Amino acid sequence: GAGVSQSPSNKVTEKGKDVELRCDPISGHTALYWYRQSLGQGLEFLIYFQGNSAPDKSGLPSDRFSAERTGGSVSTLTIQRTQQEDSAVYLCASSPTTPTQYFGPGTRLTVL
Amino acid sequence: GDSVTQMEGPVTLSEEAFLTINCTYTATGYPSLFWYVQYPGEGLQLLLKATKADDKGSNKGFEATYRKETTSFHLEKGSVQVSDSAVYFCALSPGLGNEKLTFGTGTRLTIIP
Repeated sequence: GAGVSQSPSNKVTEKGKDVELRCDPISGHTALYWYRQSLGQGLEFLIYFQGNSAPDKSGLPSDRFSAERTGGSVSTLTIQRTQQEDSAVYLCASSPTTPTQYFGPGTRLTVL
Repeated sequence: GDSVTQMEGPVTLSEEAFLTINCTYTATGYPSLFWYVQYPGEGLQLLLKATKADDKGSNKGFEATYRKETTSFHLEKGSVQVSDSAVYFCALSPGLGNEKLTFGTGTRLTIIP
């Protein structure tokens, strides 16, 4: 079946602009996670959704970052007033009831 | 908090050599342990996992055993191939409903023919 998809695959933006990153999880997966992969920080957890609720937002680096999930499916990660340090690959993963997570291909964000 | 310490890279081996990548962890409770692999230009893929002490995960000739007494989950393969060249990440999830992953820093492996 279809895997986790993310769009866009690449995004170049100017400092100070807002961006939206989209994740389509595997159908039926109730859990959804966002991570960030950067050269300086490695792979970091950002936020966890169970259904449409986000019981763990502890990894969001600042209040410029927010995320939502609708219909227990698609999720959007929004970064407001982007900064150069936000440049990274943003990864989405989904999971059924098991601990195994399935990752999407990522969105590479470059802030100029 | 939870943490994963992984063998620093890069690691370069000849084809058919034996591979070990060390991984140790710090966590409360009973975490699940994972090895993920990232091939050049591709996304993260689950390589193997173990969800309780003494479990052995295996896949594609790779193995790792969950050792609670040494808090380790070392990755091994008896005979590596050029196609194994990739970045390998050790990770844990807390096993408390929220399965957010804590990753090691990754080990870049290059296999020379």
